[in-house]
Amino acid sequence: DAKTTQPPSMDCAEGRAANLPCNHSTISGNEYVYWYRQIHSQGPQYIIHGLKNNETNEMASLIITEDRKSSTLILPHATLRDTAVYYCIVRAAGNKLTFGGGTRVLVKP
Amino acid sequence: GAGVSQSPSNKVTEKGKDVELRCDPISGHTALYWYRQRLGQGLEFLIYFQGNSAPDKSGLPSDRFSAERTGESVSTLTIQRTQQEDSAVYLCASSWNGPGTMVNEQFFGPGTRLTVL
Repeated sequence: DAKTTQPPSMDCAEGRAANLPCNHSTISGNEYVYWYRQIHSQGPQYIIHGLKNNETNEMASLIITEDRKSSTLILPHATLRDTAVYYCIVRAAGNKLTFGGGTRVLVKP
Repeated sequence: GAGVSQSPSNKVTEKGKDVELRCDPISGHTALYWYRQRLGQGLEFLIYFQGNSAPDKSGLPSDRFSAERTGESVSTLTIQRTQQEDSAVYLCASSWNGPGTMVNEQFFGPGTRLTVL
């Protein structure tokens, strides 16, 4: 599965949009982009996934570049409860998840 | 059940003892995964079960680690002769990887925090 690169940390103001970047320049055609987050002392939680089209659900939006080499997770209105480590993962369907270091997001009031 | 459950939630053991960690996946989920997370680190894949196929054991760190799964139900992760470096949170996840499945979201349990003294 392709490797991903994320910034180690970022701060965000409560109520503002949080844009989390991820680079996956070695992604192959059958690999999906997944985002999970892990709130302190909890197991990871699925957020969203996509293949090549932009996706939106009740939690977030996922913007994937046309060449699929990078993506951005958007939390439209960050709340204090969104403070967590966010993991961008690229993998083919059915394969295990390989978690990197993620981005530690701190939402500040 | 409503979600993935794991037991015990916390386990403290002495170095050299064996431990068993249990995972109850979501009913009907065909795939089950074990991960390990050391303090302040990301998740490390340990082992993956899919239906009746041979498990993917490529992440097990040593032969002291083993896991079993009965059908598509409960799984047990066993660590023999525990060492202090085994101290971590052990997470279990399950997903439905049925025929024709293109995307399979993994649902995680709360984890078992293992402390080896």
